[in-house]
Amino acid sequence: QSMVTQPPSVSAAPGQKVTISCSGSSSNLGNNDVSWYQHLPGAAPKLLIYENDKRPAGIPDRFSGSKSGTSATLDITGLQTGDEADYYCGTWDSSLSAGLFGGGTKLTVL
Amino acid sequence: QVQLVESGGGVVQPERSLRLSCGASGFTFSSYAMHWVRQPPGKGLEWVAIISYDGRNEYYADSVKGRFSISRDNSKNTLFLQMSSLRVEDTAVYYCTRDRTVGTTRLDYWGQGTLVTVSS
Repeated sequence: QSMVTQPPSVSAAPGQKVTISCSGSSSNLGNNDVSWYQHLPGAAPKLLIYENDKRPAGIPDRFSGSKSGTSATLDITGLQTGDEADYYCGTWDSSLSAGLFGGGTKLTVL
Repeated sequence: QVQLVESGGGVVQPERSLRLSCGASGFTFSSYAMHWVRQPPGKGLEWVAIISYDGRNEYYADSVKGRFSISRDNSKNTLFLQMSSLRVEDTAVYYCTRDRTVGTTRLDYWGQGTLVTVSS
């Protein structure tokens, strides 16, 4: 069972906004940066957000991230059908000296 | 361009061993920490292990500690994962991915993965 918690699923209509949450503890999100990944079936995961709120080159500004305390969120605006995927938050746990992923959130664009 | 190519997956019996490799190109391999991440069928991503840029530091998930060993050959731009005492629950697609350093999770490039199936 993941020590970082995400909702199993979220959904919204095309063009709308969706927020995916990621909740942890002081040993992980509370003291380390969070990253976010998009994972489409049959493809390699893609980095969307790193260091809480930074976007790699080529990631559209429809994707944004934030972190406060032991929680983080990924916002996706202007939803497109191509955004349907599994989304994971990732972080480091200083107590475990281990990486952690949330359980993943399946986004459905209705 | 950055490329990571995993190999070595296949079908293996429980309690046997298998070694995965990940060939890197398009970047200075010896400057980056490297992770292995896996995805069991129908489940989410699971972090497995990380090795520092110089190979001096290694960390493992509790689920594989004592059974898996991560290593690297910077002269050959290759990352390895030696898996021993394999269990059915180790069945997964295994990805290699790079990071700036140990203690962060900025996994910016990933390989396509190699499937490991543990079955009798």
